[in-house]
Amino acid sequence: DTAVSQTPKYLVTQMGNDKSIKCEQNLGHDTMYWYKQDSKKFLKIMFSYNNKELIINETVPNRFSPKSPDKAHLNLHINSLELGDSAVYFCASSYLPTGTDNSPLHFGNGTRLTVT
Amino acid sequence: DAKTTQPNSMESNEEEPVHLPCNHSTISGTDYIHWYRQLPSQGPEYVIHGLTSNVNNRMASLAIAEDRKSSTLILHRATLRDAAVYYCILKGTYKYIFGTGTRLKVLA
Repeated sequence: DTAVSQTPKYLVTQMGNDKSIKCEQNLGHDTMYWYKQDSKKFLKIMFSYNNKELIINETVPNRFSPKSPDKAHLNLHINSLELGDSAVYFCASSYLPTGTDNSPLHFGNGTRLTVT
Repeated sequence: DAKTTQPNSMESNEEEPVHLPCNHSTISGTDYIHWYRQLPSQGPEYVIHGLTSNVNNRMASLAIAEDRKSSTLILHRATLRDAAVYYCILKGTYKYIFGTGTRLKVLA
């Protein structure tokens, strides 16, 4: 039983295209996140949603638009893809928002996006 | 946001204890110390966290210095499956700040 699942696992696309990554968690958590891990392996938070409400929006280009149809799903849509968007994108979830307690983050296995 | 400093890499022999250090000299009184690890081709997974006292769980132990400016993650008997990047993180107000981590190599 995969707790946090992302699709697709790999995504190869050309510059200028629009693509989406989907994430689902079956842990009953209220909060979900998108993280980006670049080629140097730095892991940076992009967005966080709590019960479908956006609570964290780091300085991310507005080409990136998260959408949470319900608290078990958080999708990431990227418009006009650029070479610099190539990275591994991780979805994560936690019971409560990270500011309220120390409930651990549960990560998916990532989506490797390659923009050519 | 407070930062952490970890060695880039460490090696250990299988079935020996491993002590992974972390410096966090700018830690504030309310920052919790969290450790996560990332196995190859996987997302990070939670290992342990603490505030002031030493902590133990089934995966590891966390030793926190009295002044809280450093901490050590202890794996009591390293196995080949423990080869991963270990991140020491200070959890502040609302988010985790991941550093570069320590890549642990376990030798058979």
